[in-house]
Amino acid sequence: QQQVKQSPQSLIVQKGGISIINCAYENTAFDYFPWYQQFPGKGPALLIAIRPDVSEKKEGRFTISFNKSAKQFSLHIMDSQPGDSATYFCAASMPSGSRLTFGEGTQLTVNP
Amino acid sequence: GAVVSQHPSRVICKSGTSVKIECRSLDFQATTMFWYRQFPKQSLMLMATSNEGSKATYEQGVEKDKFLINHASLTLSTLTVTSAHPEDSSFYICSASKLAGTGETQYFGPGTRLLVL
Repeated sequence: QQQVKQSPQSLIVQKGGISIINCAYENTAFDYFPWYQQFPGKGPALLIAIRPDVSEKKEGRFTISFNKSAKQFSLHIMDSQPGDSATYFCAASMPSGSRLTFGEGTQLTVNP
Repeated sequence: GAVVSQHPSRVICKSGTSVKIECRSLDFQATTMFWYRQFPKQSLMLMATSNEGSKATYEQGVEKDKFLINHASLTLSTLTVTSAHPEDSSFYICSASKLAGTGETQYFGPGTRLLVL
């Protein structure tokens, strides 16, 4: 029940295209859903996050779509750029604390 | 801002020695700090959670006597890998939790690459 399933494991997109990464969770007590971006040899950086009271959140080229009934959320990267090539992790946490449960990660490659 | 630093960024040590890694929240006081390890092409695995002034809570399967965590202040936590062996070689990442408006958000350090020879 603590798992967060992420797909795809890897994704190749052409420059200017849309990158879509999906996550699904089981525990309905999760109430915070962040996405992290990680470059090789670096720590993860918070990209964007959402709470269950909204269905979508947009920040620049990054959008989270959240489907509470399906227990799924996704990251959309519009106008993908080669500089977006990185590993992306979804995560979820409970209200009682900030302990994060991570997805398995998606390695995104944006070809020029 | 919410900057978390780690020191050292990389360390090479001989088998059997101990290594200390520091994690600092530079511009905020962290209610909680977390330690993760990450193997190549894998996700982050939580090792332990620490609150200032109290004992760390370790995840199942993590040896508390091998991975010593000290959280002496609201801005500093240390992880000591005791009697390190080659299988402890990994990327160790800390994070600090900041209470920010709608809840707590974790900010990650840049990681420490440990290589045990």
